[in-house]
Amino acid sequence: KNQVEQSPQSLIILEGKNCTLQCNYTVSPFSNLRWYKQDTGRGPVSLTIMTFSENTKSNGRYTATLDADTKQSSLHITASQLSDSASYICVVSHGSSNTGKLIFGQGTTLQVKP
Amino acid sequence: SQTIHQWPATLVQPVGSPLSLECTVEGTSNPNLYWYRQAAGRGLQLLFYSVGIGQISSEVPQNLSASRPQDRQFILSSKKLLLSDSGFYLCAWNRVIYEQYFGPGTRLTVT
Repeated sequence: KNQVEQSPQSLIILEGKNCTLQCNYTVSPFSNLRWYKQDTGRGPVSLTIMTFSENTKSNGRYTATLDADTKQSSLHITASQLSDSASYICVVSHGSSNTGKLIFGQGTTLQVKP
Repeated sequence: SQTIHQWPATLVQPVGSPLSLECTVEGTSNPNLYWYRQAAGRGLQLLFYSVGIGQISSEVPQNLSASRPQDRQFILSSKKLLLSDSGFYLCAWNRVIYEQYFGPGTRLTVT
């Protein structure tokens, strides 16, 4: 069964600290993996996208890693800010889909406190 | 540049009433269009997708229906709302397979 699992479910950190969110997937065949940020009451916005041949991709203070062998990805947030408080969703594209259907994780809710 | 609109932003409807949510995309042609629902504390669930005018595929059996009367317009409807239809509804589009861009969402509360 094609699934995407994220951990932890929720996380609270202090402003300025770093954190790492995890994503494990069982999607096969795999095409690419994307991390989205979703602010409360808003639509998700893409942070990074990686294909199976990419190991690391950065977007400002966000760095995503991908290990296609172990089917794991992580999103590392450096020097967190209050505006980083959001839900972070790991999304995997199924390689055989010709309609762009995606497989979503449940998300990790991050709260950054001052 | 491309933009995606959804309306209304919020909606409170009684059980048994009809529903119509609209999504439009600007700045592109022949997009694939998607409707998702996100229940409180849950992940996104794909409800419908469309690869062209009049072409609708349903992912899960439910109380809802979708239509695509124009190339860049996608409508989510229900004849009679249920309490379980409450949630956050997101429209999304793509041109390139595996890219997907989301709208701002509609918060639906069925009372």
